[in-house]
Amino acid sequence: KAGVTQTPRYLIKTRGQQVTLSCSPISGHRSVSWYQQTPGQGLQFLFEYFSETQRNKGNFPGRFSGRQFSNSRSEMNVSTLELGDSALYLCASSLGSGGGDQPQHFGDGTRLSIL
Amino acid sequence: DQQVKQNSPSLSVQEGRISILNCDYTNSMFDYFLWYKKYPAEGPTFLISISSIKDKNEDGRFTVFLNKSAKHLSLHIVPSQPGDSAVYFCAASGNTGNQFYFGTGTSLTVIP
Repeated sequence: KAGVTQTPRYLIKTRGQQVTLSCSPISGHRSVSWYQQTPGQGLQFLFEYFSETQRNKGNFPGRFSGRQFSNSRSEMNVSTLELGDSALYLCASSLGSGGGDQPQHFGDGTRLSIL
Repeated sequence: DQQVKQNSPSLSVQEGRISILNCDYTNSMFDYFLWYKKYPAEGPTFLISISSIKDKNEDGRFTVFLNKSAKHLSLHIVPSQPGDSAVYFCAASGNTGNQFYFGTGTSLTVIP
């Protein structure tokens, strides 16, 4: 069974630009969550999508947005990039229709660097 | 507001000994607690979980203990092996599993 695939693995952008990250979940998984990981901050929850609808949202500014397609693939967009957006962005998928004991399966992340 | 906290950024243990990683939480509504392991340049991988109705769950060398009154959980690894060297994250969720809250991680080094 293929795992969660995130593309690209690495990305370098400059301040003010925008970026789109992609995530393909495990087949059959309908929930996709996005996290930002920075040193000392752990994994900060961005948002979660289920059946093309955003179900939960973390405390990030509106520059961070996402969407999910009918095949459960998801994209995350960050506009007007700032230096502080440099981070590892992780995508995780799960069945999404059960209890909290269903673990999330993570991709290897996209390393975004802002110059 | 960090609802899940791992106060020890790092831990070093001799091979063969016990590793104990700790995690505290503030939200008494959490129903499930999970541990993930993360190697450099890879995403976190699920290790073990525990429901709030239990106080212990064991899987091979890994045991998770939950103390609800103290809002504290711990992961025990016995015996520790060099391949266990990684960053360990604890996470918590409510009963819907729609949103997970992660700690900041503890970097475990197992010394051969």
